[in-house]
Formats: sequence, structure tokens, C-alpha cells
Amino acid sequence: GAVVSQHPSWVICKSGTSVKIECRSLDFQATTMFWYRQFPKQSLMLMATSNEGSKATYEQGVEKDKFLINHASLTLSTLTVTSAHPEDSSFYICSAHEAYTGELFFGEGSRLTVL
Amino acid sequence: AQKVTQAQTEISVVEKEDVTLDCVYETRDTTYYLFWYKQPPSGELVFLIRRNSFDEQNEISGRYSWNFQKSTSSFNFTITASQVVDSAVYFCALIPLNYGGATNKLIFGTGTLLAVQP
Repeated sequence: GAVVSQHPSWVICKSGTSVKIECRSLDFQATTMFWYRQFPKQSLMLMATSNEGSKATYEQGVEKDKFLINHASLTLSTLTVTSAHPEDSSFYICSAHEAYTGELFFGEGSRLTVL
Repeated sequence: AQKVTQAQTEISVVEKEDVTLDCVYETRDTTYYLFWYKQPPSGELVFLIRRNSFDEQNEISGRYSWNFQKSTSSFNFTITASQVVDSAVYFCALIPLNYGGATNKLIFGTGTLLAVQP
């Protein structure tokens, strides 16, 4: 079946540094990818919609300068958390929309801890 | 409003008991998809089922069954003869299909933590 891979699966960084998380669709093309954020014991909240070749669409309340999204190819979207702070510590999950079947597939998630 | 409500925050059952997880949704769209996902402690989301708004047939897959009732806007999930491995957070989710095309934005419920005790 279709696979979406996220990397890294977990990362620890110092406050003030930037962290990049990759989301790859391994065996299909994804014109659209979605980035979600999940705090402990909470639900997944959509952060932004990443469209290949165009700017991402951010949900209300999500700082686009803080969470940079790039979707440079049909198989890769990246989320960069800039100048990370402890409150950015969270579980980030991406999903990819397979263009031909319309199916949605989720990555394994990336756990970010900012010290 | 577009919303998914999972009123049960936590459920604890003993192995082999049946358990039903409730899901109630709200959408102004007449066409939509409903989903159930399982999230074990490792964090990844495991797809369980997708149902479109035009298909009200109930579905059974092994020990899992789903009851979709448009009249009550509910999409409940039942696990029969629960097992310890069923322990996880279960999310119900909705994709409203806007007129003219799909956005594929999943709207998640708050999740139900199911603990199956041996």
C-alpha cells in the first residue's frame, strides 16, 4: 500500500534553533499534503495545507513565518519550525493526498522536544 | 459548523467485553467522508475505515463494526470481544466536500482513549 514517510521521527533541539521535518510520499505523487500538530492527550489540529508548486495555506492562528512549509516536488513537503521554543514541543504529523485515487495517507509523525 | 464530537474521553473495559465508541458530527455539506483512525501509544495513525455520506450501510470487519446513521449524524464504532492490543486512542474524523471540489481537510474529534484491561 501507499506509504508516507516522515523524518526525523523524533528530534530534540535547543531553544532558538530551527528544525526541519520532512514528509515524503514514497510510491505515489501527492499534489497536496497536510501538516497537523498534536499536543499530549489532545486531538490533531490542522496547521496548513501544502500545495506543490505554490504557497501553503495556513489555518487561522498558525504563524506562517514561524512554521515554514515548502512543497517543492510531488513527493516531498517540509515543515521548518523556526526559532523553536519550548511551547513548540509537540507531535507533528503529515498526510498526503494521493492525486489519482483521492486517498489520504498519514506519516508516522515527528516528535519535537525543544529544551 | 463543521465539527466532530466524541463525548467519551476515556473508556476502560475488561478483555473480551464489547465496547462502542460514539461519534457525532456536524456539517453543512451534503457530501462528506467519515473516518475512524486508531492511534496506539507509538503515535502513528492507523486507518480503520472511510465511509461516504451516500453509503449508510453498516460495515463489519472482523471484530470491528461501524454504524452510520445520517438521521442522527452519528458514526459509531464497536469492537467486539475487545483485546489488550485494542488499547489506543481512537479518532473519528470528517472531510466535508465543499461544493465544486474536495478540500480533503480532515476535521478530527477529540479522541477516545480506550483501555482494555487483561
